[in-house]
Amino acid sequence: SQQGEEDPQALSIQEGENATMNCSYKTSINNLQWYRQNSGRGLVHLILIRSNEREKHSGRLRVTLDTSKKSSSLLITASRAADTASYFCATVNYGGSQGNLIFGKGTKLSVKP
Amino acid sequence: KAGVTQTPRYLIKTRGQQVTLSCSPISGHRSVSWYQQTPGQGLQFLFEYFSETQRNKGNFPGRFSGRQFSNSRSEMNVSTLELGDSALYLCASSVRPNNLAAEQYFGPGTRLTVT
Repeated sequence: SQQGEEDPQALSIQEGENATMNCSYKTSINNLQWYRQNSGRGLVHLILIRSNEREKHSGRLRVTLDTSKKSSSLLITASRAADTASYFCATVNYGGSQGNLIFGKGTKLSVKP
Repeated sequence: KAGVTQTPRYLIKTRGQQVTLSCSPISGHRSVSWYQQTPGQGLQFLFEYFSETQRNKGNFPGRFSGRQFSNSRSEMNVSTLELGDSALYLCASSVRPNNLAAEQYFGPGTRLTVT
């Protein structure tokens, strides 16, 4: 079953613009992770934020987590055509799910040159 | 280090047949998890193996099974294939069991088409 919902389902922007994707989830979590998937290929881990963290940065990526609202956002700044991909949030609850990732349905990002 | 490898990359089978997919984890990783990705259901957890033991299983019928070998390589098997089994099957590995690990590393996937 899906844990989270990403919003929007699809996003189209111009190169250089910022892209923001949101993720909401249902149950308590230990951490939340964001993954990128290019055109039906494997998933690439982008960033992990723990439940006691509010914000995390990695290069052009900024992730926020609001556990009171059960939501997270991924911001990609100064986007590039190479950022075109689907982005998934995945939550982990070590107690309930024994650590398997529970994914949302993803946001399909298209960055036009 | 080499990444997670999956074989074959593409597979076409007929309804009623069975299929075996293979996953070789990153060297030193002992946990292997399998996920199914379909357009309708998204990414769903199938099972996790650690040290040759199944630790956790998702909500899939018994036609889906797996195993792990002593070298941590894993196989998953789907018997009596149905059209709905058409999907991208992803394997992920990590150093420790999922409930102790922070990050899973994914392979490129096997695209299974059932006709």
